[in-house]
Amino acid sequence: GAVVSQHPSRVICKSGTSVKIECRSLDFQATTMFWYRQFPKQSLMLMATSNEGSKATYEQGVEKDKFLINHASLTLSTLTVTSAHPEDSSFYICSASDRERGQPQHFGDGTRLSIL
Amino acid sequence: GQQVMQIPQYQHVQEGEDFTTYCNSSTTLSNIQWYKQRPGGHPVFLIQLVKSGEVKKQKRLTFQFGEAKKNSSLHITATQTTDVGTYFCAGRQTGANNLFFGTGTRLTVIP
Repeated sequence: GAVVSQHPSRVICKSGTSVKIECRSLDFQATTMFWYRQFPKQSLMLMATSNEGSKATYEQGVEKDKFLINHASLTLSTLTVTSAHPEDSSFYICSASDRERGQPQHFGDGTRLSIL
Repeated sequence: GQQVMQIPQYQHVQEGEDFTTYCNSSTTLSNIQWYKQRPGGHPVFLIQLVKSGEVKKQKRLTFQFGEAKKNSSLHITATQTTDVGTYFCAGRQTGANNLFFGTGTRLTVIP
């Protein structure tokens, strides 16, 4: 079945560091990928929709200059948390679906980000 | 904006008891999906419902989509310890590509 790979799985770094997370669709093309954030014992909150070849669409309250998204190819989207601070510590998960709208999303394994 | 609420937030059941979680959207949905997330894991797709009033079964799991396409339910018959996890519904508005997740129901099964 479809597989989405997310890397790295865990990051621990100092405050002020920028962290890049990669999301790859391994056996299908994804014109759209999604980035979610999940705090402990809470639901997934959609941060932004990553569109191949164009600017990402950010949800209300998500700073686009803080969370940089690049979707340069049909199989890769990256999320960069710039100048991360402890409040950015969270579980970040990407998802993607085949081009056809309405297909179920397949999730990466997630990245647990801890900012000291 | 779109809101998707789930009740209950938590549910503890004895193994063998039934379990139901309800999902309610503030807007009409084009389809609804259900996911299961184990502690420390990522959401895993269970099923998608598209048609008004649709009912689908997967072994002990029964999924239903409301007639108005604004609510849905997941029922588990005779729970097992392997059913432990958080169950999320996720809805997509008509014409939209993004998916909004419900608040989730965390299920604990006591052996």
